[in-house]
Amino acid sequence: QSALTQPASVSGSPGQSITISCTGTSGDVGGYYFVSWYQQHPGKAPKLIIYDVSNRPSGVSNRFSGSKSGNTASLTISGLRAEDEADYYCSSYTSSDTDVFGTGTKVTVL
Amino acid sequence: QVQLRESGPGLVKPSGTLSLTCAVSGDSINRANWWTWVRQPPGKGLEWIGETDHSDNTKYNPSLKSRVTISVDKSKNRFSLRLNSVTAADTAVYYCARRFSAVAYDYWGQGTLVTVSS
Repeated sequence: QSALTQPASVSGSPGQSITISCTGTSGDVGGYYFVSWYQQHPGKAPKLIIYDVSNRPSGVSNRFSGSKSGNTASLTISGLRAEDEADYYCSSYTSSDTDVFGTGTKVTVL
Repeated sequence: QVQLRESGPGLVKPSGTLSLTCAVSGDSINRANWWTWVRQPPGKGLEWIGETDHSDNTKYNPSLKSRVTISVDKSKNRFSLRLNSVTAADTAVYYCARRFSAVAYDYWGQGTLVTVSS
């Protein structure tokens, strides 16, 4: 199974909004409403920030939001803060009854 | 509070077998969750390895399926990963995680670095 495609890097200034894309196929992102997003700071385990395309776990800031259109899912971070600087990964359920992660996006706060 | 903790050798010889265990506390492995292994080579992205449930049902990444076994030990509330015929490409930080919904891993271990080298 091929990794989902994400931009290598995205940057923005504090207070701005940024969007990270996650492109797959009809056999994964496009076929199911099972897409999650993870935030990973250096040396730390990933943290779940969005699941089932647009749901936020308890305790996750509402500055994080998710959506999906066709084979592409998106994560938007609004009101960008310094602590949002991290790597972000999407993941999707697949038609092979397995999971697949995205290639990862490094977010830089300018 | 659910906690997961990986343990196992940090160094494995090429062609050998990588064996890791994930101890679960704060939750019962008998509950209706899937228990997952994910790895991350140094400086690279996450890779889903596979998972098991309390009934020993398993799912594996097709690219690793011929070499991997994931099993559950309900008596000790833990689950394990075995990866055979390892090469340098298997050098990574290995994480265990709990899946509470499709592709939603809500609790993770701290990760353990396994290096494949002679």
